[in-house]
Amino acid sequence: AQSVSQHNHHVILSEAASLELGCNYSYGGTVNLFWYVQYPGQHLQLLLKYFSGDPLVKGIKGFEAEFIKSKFSFNLRKPSVQWSDTAEYFCAAYGQNFVFGPGTRLSVLP
Amino acid sequence: ETGVTQTPRHLVMGMTNKKSLKCEQHLGHNAMYWYKQSAKKPLELMFVYNFKEQTENNSVPSRFSPECPNSSHLFLHLHTLQPEDSALYLCASSQDRNTPYGYTFGSGTRLTVV
Repeated sequence: AQSVSQHNHHVILSEAASLELGCNYSYGGTVNLFWYVQYPGQHLQLLLKYFSGDPLVKGIKGFEAEFIKSKFSFNLRKPSVQWSDTAEYFCAAYGQNFVFGPGTRLSVLP
Repeated sequence: ETGVTQTPRHLVMGMTNKKSLKCEQHLGHNAMYWYKQSAKKPLELMFVYNFKEQTENNSVPSRFSPECPNSSHLFLHLHTLQPEDSALYLCASSQDRNTPYGYTFGSGTRLTVV
């Protein structure tokens, strides 16, 4: 069955630190990959998505993600986080179905 | 606003009450979804409607009853809920079920069952 896992439940960083959130999916066929963000009290919104082409995808707010097919991974990165990046981040994959990961809570300390 | 509007934003109901959650989208999407978001648990897909037809029901208890009168509106009727049903209920839409160019989510209804 298709699944998505995220490596960390809760990540705590100081401002200006670099961020990498891990995401792995299990599906043998063609897959579309997404990262969503949910700021406190707000709706889920799309950060970035990968369908095909360049495996390094750039999204909003300085985020990027790299699709590594051999590792079934789609890790999210940001070189320098801000306090306003405090949120919950969800990786999602569409192969046969749309499946979300359990989410990673990011807390950025000012 | 995301284009997907959910009402009410907050709802407190007793276990014997009947209430309904409403979702509305004017994005021209043909697929609509109900998700349950509980603390420390993955997003749980509850129901999927594609072109007004229910295509998925992920073993959701019958105390949750969806209704999709047209492609723009989706309801979730609630009856005799349990305290463990307290959660954030999210509505989402997409172009259609088989072309998921990302979902657009509503802000959710925070449900508390007392």
